Amino acid sequence: GEDVEQSLFLSVREGDSSVINCTYTDSSSTYLYWYKQEPGAGLQLLTYIFSNMDMKQDQRLTVLLNKKDKHLSLRIADTQTGDSAIYFCAERGYNQGGKLIFGQGTELSVKP
Amino acid sequence: ETGVTQSPTHLIKTRGQQVTLRCSSQSGHNTVSWYQQALGQGPQFIFQYYREEENGRGNFPPRFSGLQFPNYSSELNVNALELDDSALYLCASSLGGLAGGPGDTQYFGPGTRLTVL
Repeated sequence: GEDVEQSLFLSVREGDSSVINCTYTDSSSTYLYWYKQEPGAGLQLLTYIFSNMDMKQDQRLTVLLNKKDKHLSLRIADTQTGDSAIYFCAERGYNQGGKLIFGQGTELSVKP
Repeated sequence: ETGVTQSPTHLIKTRGQQVTLRCSSQSGHNTVSWYQQALGQGPQFIFQYYREEENGRGNFPPRFSGLQFPNYSSELNVNALELDDSALYLCASSLGGLAGGPGDTQYFGPGTRLTVL
């Protein structure tokens, strides 16, 4: 079945790098996404990666995809207190239409 | 700002009642998806509409229904509310395209917080 797993919590110091990990089970995944959710708010799209790519960089964000191990990570360089939020990994399988399968979310806490 | 709006922001209902939640998609987006996010969980896919037709449904009972209108607005209706329906309801719009692709990236609204007492 389809499943996406994330660790629940991550705590880092301001200025450090954060790495949020995600594993998924659907080998037919076409796109994988990272969304950010601040308290009481909706989901903000951060970045996405197509399944035939290994890496994508976008300013402070680096996404790594290991398709063999079905492992996705999001690295945030120079983490700031404003990065404190819940980060969701989501995957969309081939022929799944628009259905996104989300993980439980990783709560990132950035300490000054 | 994604350009996706939802109303109302918060809603309180009692068990057994019916509720209608509204969403306005980005202009030009032909597809709208609805998700339920229980507290402490990731969003769960309810269904998707493409050009006013249902285009996929998650594991939700028939008392969850939807409508999409030509003016980029849509509704989520829930009948016979249960306590477990308390959640944040999110709509997401995308350009459309049944086969997916970069144009199918979903942009979320701020959500409607529904509390069922």
